[in-house]
Amino acid sequence: NAGVTQTPKFQVLKTGQSMTLQCAQDMNHNSMYWYRQDPGMGLRLIYYSASEGTTDKGEVPNGYNVSRLNKREFSLRLESAAPSQTSVYFCASMWETGANNSPLHFGNGTRLTVT
Amino acid sequence: AQSVAQPEDQVNVAEGNPLTVKCTYSVSGNPYLFWYVQYPNRGLQFLLKYITGDNLVKGSYGFEAEFNKSQTSFHLKKPSALVSDSALYFCAVTLNNAGNMLTFGGGTRLMVKP
Repeated sequence: NAGVTQTPKFQVLKTGQSMTLQCAQDMNHNSMYWYRQDPGMGLRLIYYSASEGTTDKGEVPNGYNVSRLNKREFSLRLESAAPSQTSVYFCASMWETGANNSPLHFGNGTRLTVT
Repeated sequence: AQSVAQPEDQVNVAEGNPLTVKCTYSVSGNPYLFWYVQYPNRGLQFLLKYITGDNLVKGSYGFEAEFNKSQTSFHLKKPSALVSDSALYFCAVTLNNAGNMLTFGGGTRLMVKP
């Protein structure tokens, strides 16, 4: 049982390049999330998908796009990378919202540097 | 708008001593409160949560947290710290237990020295 798997683990991009961060979960969770982590700022939600076929913006969506490919997979795309997007990116998943939700389960992150 | 404050960037404690990592929150309504821990080069791991009921919540690895509604606090505690507890700790709050509404604090680095 791998949980939440993210690829790649590290990536260096030049300004203007594009890339896709991949995320897959094997826990049959309905909801999936993309966060970015910056020093002293905690985690900020970029986009989320409450269920297969739906996606919504989070707190900091500008410069990103997402695709919920199927129930297992949720990808994050940077179309034209900027230095401000240098960060550590985390994918997470959980059961549907409700009082008896599971907590969020996180992947190990992708460390992205944009030069 | 909801918010979480972790007033200490770093907490230092000697192994075997009790530890406290502070968290205060602001939310309009009854909060769902969480603590997560992050070890180097890893994602966040769930430690414990408060939804309702007993104000003292027990979680993984011997950690516990006390919900104090009047002080809007949810401090993380452990009676006897271990060197292996050294990590980054995040407090988080949401109104409806929805992942998309979860607000994280900035994190507190716990350093336990032998």
